Amino acid sequence: EIVMTQSPATLSVSPGERATLSCRAGQSVSSSLAWYQQRSGQAPRLLIYGASTRAAGIPARFSGSGSGREFTLSISSLQSEDFAVYYCQQYKNWPRTFGLGTKVEIK
Amino acid sequence: EVQLLESGGGLVQPAGSLRLSCAASGFTFSSFAMTWVRQAPGKGLDWVSSISDSGSATFYADSVKGRFIISRDNSKNTLSLQMNSLGAEDTAFYYCARDLRGSGTCDYWGQGTLVTVSS
Repeated sequence: EIVMTQSPATLSVSPGERATLSCRAGQSVSSSLAWYQQRSGQAPRLLIYGASTRAAGIPARFSGSGSGREFTLSISSLQSEDFAVYYCQQYKNWPRTFGLGTKVEIK
Repeated sequence: EVQLLESGGGLVQPAGSLRLSCAASGFTFSSFAMTWVRQAPGKGLDWVSSISDSGSATFYADSVKGRFIISRDNSKNTLSLQMNSLGAEDTAFYYCARDLRGSGTCDYWGQGTLVTVSS
């Protein structure tokens, strides 16, 4: 299975600042990469698919980039509702696999 | 409005069985593949199983293969997960999710149902 590695595990950011999260795949997944946000006590929410396409209703401050093995999720100006855990997921191969997540916390 | 409502979770003894259901509404259920994802308390997301829109194709994580069976009834807009030979490692919130068409991602999720395996 393809192992997904996210870094850092925790990111401390002040509101209004930019956050950059990384995800590395154990082998190339082309652009078959998604990002999810999970707020405390809630179900996950799809943010990005195809490595860089925002899902319906996702604000433009969220952007994804990368292909192959290296991917990045950027949040341009953190709002209070953005403090959450973010997961990357590959869907190039079965089984689909998630990273362990990056927690974005208030600095 | 797309809605996914899981049910069937609860406390079950080790080696026991449980059947989860997911009632779907607000979209043409038979046109979408569906997925189960689980999350142990305080842990990350763990893909469990997916099924094609017709039900003809199913996929499982190695950790549940041979123990869990995913199925769907398109006439009742219902997704199911039959879980057998349960162990403590299966304790988790189980989420039902809709696959985004043409993608292997999940664009709508239910709120989850908790399965606890303990004696």
